[in-house]
Amino acid sequence: DTGVSQNPRHKITKRGQNVTFRCDPISEHNRLYWYRQTLGQGPEFLTYFQNEAQLEKSRLLSDRFSAERPKGSFSTLEIQRTEQGDSAMYLCASSSWGSGANVLTFGAGSRLTVL
Amino acid sequence: QKEVEQNSGPLSVPEGAIASLNCTYSDRVSQSFFWYRQYSGKSPELIMSIYSNGDKEDGRFTAQLNKASQYVSLLIRDSQPSDSATYLCAVSLYNQGGKLIFGQGTELSVKP
Repeated sequence: DTGVSQNPRHKITKRGQNVTFRCDPISEHNRLYWYRQTLGQGPEFLTYFQNEAQLEKSRLLSDRFSAERPKGSFSTLEIQRTEQGDSAMYLCASSSWGSGANVLTFGAGSRLTVL
Repeated sequence: QKEVEQNSGPLSVPEGAIASLNCTYSDRVSQSFFWYRQYSGKSPELIMSIYSNGDKEDGRFTAQLNKASQYVSLLIRDSQPSDSATYLCAVSLYNQGGKLIFGQGTELSVKP
């Protein structure tokens, strides 16, 4: 068990470019969550998956954001036409739903800077 | 009103003292409660979880839950400089897929 892995750890991009982040959850976990965190704030929920099904999307997730978990394993979060306001830490977490308490384990995060 | 509220701090305590961190939540059907610690530039790591009213102790940490008052707290005894971090309170609603709703975090500084 290597924990939750996120790549890339840092991404600097110019406004208007597209970026994609990848998350590899703990292998036996069936739930995967994406959060966004800005400086001085707690993580904000974006979306989550049960296996390959996307079960909820926050209203924070504009049409420029899309997330997938095609085979119920890793997940990608894509941001199209990035804006400076998208600069944040994007956190992925996974959990084992249905086996007791739903404890989320976070990855190290992917920090996005939009110039 | 925010769903989960914490004092943003910073809370400063001397080494060896008890640090008390507080959190209130608005949704009465909240079922699970968590405290995460986040060092600067790092991701949140779970410290404590609590699901029923009362106290739960784990080493130097004690979580307290009062569902009637919609209040959860974290006590850190014998605070150490290494405890200096931001502490995030999170609540979970079973009927919302177990997602966590976080407070804004309380920054704790333990002075040697």
